[in-house]
Amino acid sequence: EPEVTQTPSHQVTQMGQEVILRCVPISNHLYFYWYRQILGQKVEFLVSFYNNEISEKSEIFDDQFSVERPDGSNFTLKIRSTKLEDSAMYFCASSAQGAGRETQYFGPGTRLLVL
Amino acid sequence: GDSVTQMEGPVTLSEEAFLTINCTYTATGYPSLFWYVQYPGEGLQLLLKATKADDKGSNKGFEATYRKETTSFHLEKGSVQVSDSAVYFCALSDTNSGYALNFGKGTSLLVTP
Repeated sequence: EPEVTQTPSHQVTQMGQEVILRCVPISNHLYFYWYRQILGQKVEFLVSFYNNEISEKSEIFDDQFSVERPDGSNFTLKIRSTKLEDSAMYFCASSAQGAGRETQYFGPGTRLLVL
Repeated sequence: GDSVTQMEGPVTLSEEAFLTINCTYTATGYPSLFWYVQYPGEGLQLLLKATKADDKGSNKGFEATYRKETTSFHLEKGSVQVSDSAVYFCALSDTNSGYALNFGKGTSLLVTP
């Protein structure tokens, strides 16, 4: 069964450093999403992406964040200058076009720790 | 704005007990409703969904019915197993928010032998 994959599974970085989290969505999906889950808190929407553009973004997704689909398979989330409060589990998700659009399939997540 | 409220956990049950996890929502439109499950150390997996009022989603013995009149989507299972121990998230999405999922805080379930 096709699945969303994410790399790395864990990343430790120093405050102020740039990080790039990578995702490979399900191959025939066209909508892509990033969510985060701070330890012990709810899963929060960050951004959605379609047709090489951001479709929606939350107020969490400020200028420190950016997303990109650099090629036909990868979808990345970049945090330019990490803060301590960026420590969280980051989930990528994708969904199909048409009737299946509302069903999002999640990757296993990248646990980011900012020191 | 839209929101989802779940019962607080943790919930501890003995194997074969009946499970109910309450979920209510607030939405301005006509959302789709979901239950996702997160097993220890893993990501989110879609458990079931319902896209319109009175629809019942079901999977792996779990069920939830979309009740518009009570704005609820309670998760039930008749007989839980130890392997059902996980965190369960209720969520909604609608076209107004571009299908972004809005999650509840999650309910941790522990099933003991």
